[in-house]
Amino acid sequence: GAGVSQTPSNKVTEKGKYVELRCDPISGHTALYWYRQSLGQGPEFLIYFQGTGAADDSGLPNDRFFAVRPEGSVSTLKIQRTERGDSAVYLCASSIGGLGQPQHFGDGTRLSIL
Amino acid sequence: AQKVTQAQTEISVVEKEDVTLDCVYETRDTTYYLFWYKQPPSGELVFLIRRNSFDEQNEISGRYSWNFQKSTSSFNFTITASQVVDSAVYFCALSGLNTGGFKTIFGAGTRLFVKA
Repeated sequence: GAGVSQTPSNKVTEKGKYVELRCDPISGHTALYWYRQSLGQGPEFLIYFQGTGAADDSGLPNDRFFAVRPEGSVSTLKIQRTERGDSAVYLCASSIGGLGQPQHFGDGTRLSIL
Repeated sequence: AQKVTQAQTEISVVEKEDVTLDCVYETRDTTYYLFWYKQPPSGELVFLIRRNSFDEQNEISGRYSWNFQKSTSSFNFTITASQVVDSAVYFCALSGLNTGGFKTIFGAGTRLFVKA
């Protein structure tokens, strides 16, 4: 498809485990964002990539969270030693450029930590 | 610091009524962008409109219109003759160039119910 693809759509795991969430942006989009959305809240910014580099990672809540985008396309959000408070929908978005460009969102990955 | 406030948590209207969703923002940037996104029950956020800080012209797109007023730091969204398909959560968002880095800050959203 032509949209932003996120896998898996759902992930259930136990507290303390490691998880990886994948985002495949729209082809040609250089900017990629990760957000976290809790129930009844707006998306909360985590990290922004321009190409391969993380231009702004100020939203990552702590050092258990890390994201990469090694070839400037697919990105992986990695969470170590998961906690129950990490449960949320993780959204990925891409855009053709950086600040000010409309973002195209994926369907999200619903992460549940038991 | 940047902030977006959507004071209306939920709004319920009957089909064909007009409805306005409020958005108030805070930023120290002189260059910034404002957005509205729609999140239907299916979950995927959909871009509706973007405005930059230098363009205060109001915009109309079909039944949708937006009123941007820098004097009151507001960017309100009106749906005219609402339809059941308009039922969704609507988010206002802000991106600022200087103090905001590359973040986009979203409001908490307004859930709109349109009843037939």
